[in-house]
Amino acid sequence: GESVGLHLPTLSVQEGDNSIINCAYSNSASDYFIWYKQESGKGPQFIIDIRSNMDKRQGQRVTVLLNKTVKHLSLQIAATQPGDSAVYFCAVPRDYKLSFGAGTTVTVRA
Amino acid sequence: DAGITQSPRHKVTETGTPVTLRCHQTENHRYMYWYRQDPGHGLRLIHYSYGVKDTDKGEVSDGYSVSRSKTEDFLLTLESATSSQTSVYFCALGTGELGGEQYFGPGTRLTVT
Repeated sequence: GESVGLHLPTLSVQEGDNSIINCAYSNSASDYFIWYKQESGKGPQFIIDIRSNMDKRQGQRVTVLLNKTVKHLSLQIAATQPGDSAVYFCAVPRDYKLSFGAGTTVTVRA
Repeated sequence: DAGITQSPRHKVTETGTPVTLRCHQTENHRYMYWYRQDPGHGLRLIHYSYGVKDTDKGEVSDGYSVSRSKTEDFLLTLESATSSQTSVYFCALGTGELGGEQYFGPGTRLTVT
């Protein structure tokens, strides 16, 4: 199976600064990775994904970086806003099922 | 949460009673999933369905059963609820290829006393 882990369970960031959330995975055959955001009291929401043939993918204020050599991916949030306060999960799909990491709680300080 | 609803949204029940949670979609997606979310464990897959009457177990399926008699409804049943099943339950639709992009419902908070 796939093991997915996050490096830090919590992250506190000043509003306007950049946030970096890290994730490690165990299966070197994994070829697709996804980040989800979960706001308090809601279900997780898809943010961005990346395929293993890419090292970097950018969305709106978010960038995902993939390092296949060390089996590590990161989510970068530019100019962090209060609305970015949430739990962030990395996830790896396999056989139409998702394996989630435990999540990093991001708190934005005003 | 357009396209997916869960009912009930909150429920308190006693140990040993049966409980059924309902997930309803209006999107006609083939894949549907049930997860539970507990502090320190993230989201864990209970069961999933890949079509009408086609279901399979996830990593924490003990004590749970599911049924999918029509595309739009996926039911999760706790045959005899235990306190360890107190959790938040999320239903999700598989909206992308490989089951990676999933669209989650609002969740059901279940408390077993």
